[in-house]
Amino acid sequence: GAGVSQTPSNKVTEKGKYVELRCDPISGHTALYWYRQSLGQGPEFLIYFQGTGAADDSGLPNDRFFAVRPEGSVSTLKIQRTERGDSAVYLCASSSGQTGTQYFGPGTRLLVL
Amino acid sequence: GENVEQHPSTLSVQEGDSAVIKCTYSDSASNYFPWYKQELGKGPQLIIDIRSNVGEKKDQRIAVTLNKTAKHFSLHITETQPEDSAVYFCAASPNSGGYQKVTFGIGTKLQVIP
Repeated sequence: GAGVSQTPSNKVTEKGKYVELRCDPISGHTALYWYRQSLGQGPEFLIYFQGTGAADDSGLPNDRFFAVRPEGSVSTLKIQRTERGDSAVYLCASSSGQTGTQYFGPGTRLLVL
Repeated sequence: GENVEQHPSTLSVQEGDSAVIKCTYSDSASNYFPWYKQELGKGPQLIIDIRSNVGEKKDQRIAVTLNKTAKHFSLHITETQPEDSAVYFCAASPNSGGYQKVTFGIGTKLQVIP
């Protein structure tokens, strides 16, 4: 079966622009997570969805970051007014909610020039 | 919040030797400790995990140990192979099922020299 997929794999944008990053979780997984991984660091939690609702968004760094999951499957991470410091790999993970094991996608590499 | 420290940051071993990565955590509420392997250009992949009611767990060449009193846990890889070369992350979470709010360590870059 298909794993977690993320698009685009790479995104280059200019400072101040708006970007959307997409995550397709494993079919049937109710839980979905977004992480940010800076170079040489471990993934850093951003937000957790259970179904359609954001159950924990305590990791979002500021109000430029927003994520949605309107139908409880695909999720989109949205970043407004991008800054150079937003450059990182954005990882998505999903889990069945029973075992809790998180399965990660390959990530989207965001570069803000 | 939880803080997970990991060392060493880089580790080089000869093929066939053992590799050990050590981590500490700060939050006594953490009771689930997964380990992830991340290869270049890929997302982290769970390789083994341990829950707080267990002191040691083994899966073929990989073993993890947990000392909850000292808040230490370690990953041991025996008979290392070149394909073990990757970045390894330890992590801690207050829950093992359902919602896992996982805090990751900084990672250890393991290089296995043929």
